[in-house]
Amino acid sequence: EPEVTQTPSHQVTQMGQEVILRCVPISNHLYFYWYRQILGQKVEFLVSFYNNEISEKSEIFDDQFSVERPDGSNFTLKIRSTKLEDSAMYFCASRATGGEQFFGPGTRLTVL
Amino acid sequence: DAKTTQPPSMDCAEGRAANLPCNHSTISGNEYVYWYRQIHSQGPQYIIHGLKNNETNEMASLIITEDRKSSTLILPHATLRDTAVYYCIVRPSPGGYSTLTFGKGTMLLVSP
Repeated sequence: EPEVTQTPSHQVTQMGQEVILRCVPISNHLYFYWYRQILGQKVEFLVSFYNNEISEKSEIFDDQFSVERPDGSNFTLKIRSTKLEDSAMYFCASRATGGEQFFGPGTRLTVL
Repeated sequence: DAKTTQPPSMDCAEGRAANLPCNHSTISGNEYVYWYRQIHSQGPQYIIHGLKNNETNEMASLIITEDRKSSTLILPHATLRDTAVYYCIVRPSPGGYSTLTFGKGTMLLVSP
C-alpha cells in the first residue's frame, strides 16, 4: 500500500540554525500539507500546497517557514532560524483530488 | 468549522465494541463528520466520514443522529492495536482545500 514517507525521523539542531524536513508524498497525489504537534498538544495545521503554490497557511506559518516542491517527488518544509518553541513533531500529508489526507510518520525536531 | 465535544478518555475490553461519541450541535447543513485516529506519536490516520447517512467501512461504522447534532464511531471488535486518540472533526466538504482542525480527541485504551 502506498504511503507518505518523511526524513529524517529525528532531527536535532541548535537554536538559530536552518533545518529542512523532507517528505515524499504518495505518487499520484497533488495536494500537500504540513502539520505540527508540540509534545502533549493538539495537531496544528501549518500550510497546504497545490500546483506549486501555497493554498492556505496558518498564523504559525510565518516568514521563518517556507515550503517547496523541488522535484516531482519531494515536498520540503524549511525553518530558516529555529527557535526553542519549534521543537515538535512535524507531519506531512498528501491527498489525491477528492480524496482524504494520508499522513506520514512524522519528523521529531528538537531545538537545543 | 463547527466545534466538536468528545470525552477525554474511554476504556474498552479487547474483543468488545468500542463506541466513541461526539457532539457537534452547531454543525451546518454542508458540513461532514470525519474521524481520524492517532496511535502514539504516529501520524493521524483517516478512519471514516459521513454527511447524514450511516457509513461503514473495513475499519469502523459511523452513526449520525437524524438531527446531525451528534455521532458515534463504532469499532465493532476492538483490539489492543486500536488503542489511540480518536478525533472527531467537522468540516465543510470532503477533499477540497479545507484543512483538518484537530481537537484534543478521545484517548481510547483497549485492555486485554
